[in-house]
Amino acid sequence: NAGVMQNPRHLVRRRGQEARLRCSPMKGHSHVYWYRQLPEEGLKFMVYLQKENIIDESGMPKERFSAEFPKEGPSILRIQQVVRGDSAAYFCASSQMPQRYEQYFGPGTRLTVT
Amino acid sequence: GQQLNQSPQSMFIQEGEDVSMNCTSSSIFNTWLWYKQDPGEGPVLLIALYKAGELTSNGRLTAQFGITRKDSFLNISASIPSDVGIYFCAGQTQGGNTGKLIFGQGTTLQVKP
Repeated sequence: NAGVMQNPRHLVRRRGQEARLRCSPMKGHSHVYWYRQLPEEGLKFMVYLQKENIIDESGMPKERFSAEFPKEGPSILRIQQVVRGDSAAYFCASSQMPQRYEQYFGPGTRLTVT
Repeated sequence: GQQLNQSPQSMFIQEGEDVSMNCTSSSIFNTWLWYKQDPGEGPVLLIALYKAGELTSNGRLTAQFGITRKDSFLNISASIPSDVGIYFCAGQTQGGNTGKLIFGQGTTLQVKP
């Protein structure tokens, strides 16, 4: 199964620690998107990346959050100095092209901040 | 910001019944996608629509891209217990090159055997 891979599936961090979420897109996909889902809500766009480039980060909080998609390896969503409000499910999606193409989602990482 | 209004918020139906849900927006969308999410999992793509007026089926599922480009609906015929889950509409707006999806709030479907 060459679907979108995310790890870890569950991550527990204490307030003030750093969280690193990883995403490997589907084979042949070079466009990666990160979304956040709070309980009982829909998904909210955070950032769109291509290899080595951030294309749209309009949904990213201005502080503590960063994302990268290096030439080699998975895309990383990094949250520094986590707070309880960061607790959510974080989903990665990938597509072949940015528009007019389907986005396929990974299983998500459930982040819990204690 | 842009919002999608999805309705109904939840449905509780008998097995075998047909289901209909819809999404509306104040903005024009050039793509509509319908996803299903099971608890603890990521959204799974059901149907993608790219053209105003387009009607597309996937098994017992049928979805349409509204003529005004501001709405879409999803129908499920002859529901079965495994249809239980949360259904999300998502759209991409015209212009730009971001490809980001805007999601509705979801419709929770429960099916009584």
